[in-house]
Amino acid sequence: QVQLVESGGGVVQPGGSLRLSCAASGFTFSNHAMHWVRQAPGKGLEWVAVISSDGSNKYYADSLKGRFTIPRDNSKNTLYLQMDSLRPDDTAVYYCARGGINSWLRMDVWGQGTTVTVSS
Amino acid sequence: DIQMTQSPSSLSASVGDRVTITCRASQNINNYLNWYQQKPGKAPKLLMYAASSLQSGVPSRFSGSGSGTDFTLTISSLQPEDFATYYCQRSYATPVTFGGGTKVEIK
Repeated sequence: QVQLVESGGGVVQPGGSLRLSCAASGFTFSNHAMHWVRQAPGKGLEWVAVISSDGSNKYYADSLKGRFTIPRDNSKNTLYLQMDSLRPDDTAVYYCARGGINSWLRMDVWGQGTTVTVSS
Repeated sequence: DIQMTQSPSSLSASVGDRVTITCRASQNINNYLNWYQQKPGKAPKLLMYAASSLQSGVPSRFSGSGSGTDFTLTISSLQPEDFATYYCQRSYATPVTFGGGTKVEIK
C-alpha cells in the first residue's frame, strides 16, 4: 500500500543541524512532488517546502530564511529535509506528504510524522 | 502572500448535527482549495480537493463548495468519528498556506 515513513527526528541544541528522511513505498515516487509540513505543539499546520518530481524545482516557506533544504533521491525513493541553524521555534512534528498527480500543491498522502525538539 | 482565514476556530456540536466551516482567502484563488481532517496524534488526511471534489474513500456526508475567496466545508450529519480539527489549504501557488484550523468538539 501507499506509505510514507519519516525518520531522523530527535532532540538537538539550538544552532544545531538535523536531517530528516521520508521513505516512500507503494507508488512511483519519481512521478510526484513531495512536501514537508510541520506542526508545533498545540498549533496548526505550517507548510515548510516542496520539491518537484524530478528535483529540479524547490520552494520554501519565507519564514525559514534559507536554513532548510529539501533534497530527494529518486533512486532510493527517499525525501529529505536538511535543517541547519535550528531554533527553539523549529520544535514541531514534521510530516512528509505526497503531492497530487494532477495538482502538485495538493497533499494526498501523509506520513505519520517525526518529532524534532530544539532545546538546550 | 495570500492568507487563509477559517471560522469558527472551534465549535461544539452533537451527533447528527449539520456542521458548516468557512474558509476565506485574502485574494481570488479560483477553486484551488483543499480541506484536511486531523485527529489528535494523527497525520492530516485529505478530505476534499478543488473546493468541491470528494477524495476517494471519504464519506459522502462531507461536501465542499465555493470559488474565488469564500469556501465552505459541510458535514451533513455529524458522526462520532468526525470529531477532529479541520484545515483548509490553498493550492494556487507557493507559498502554500493553511487556515488556522477549526476544532469540532462534542457538545
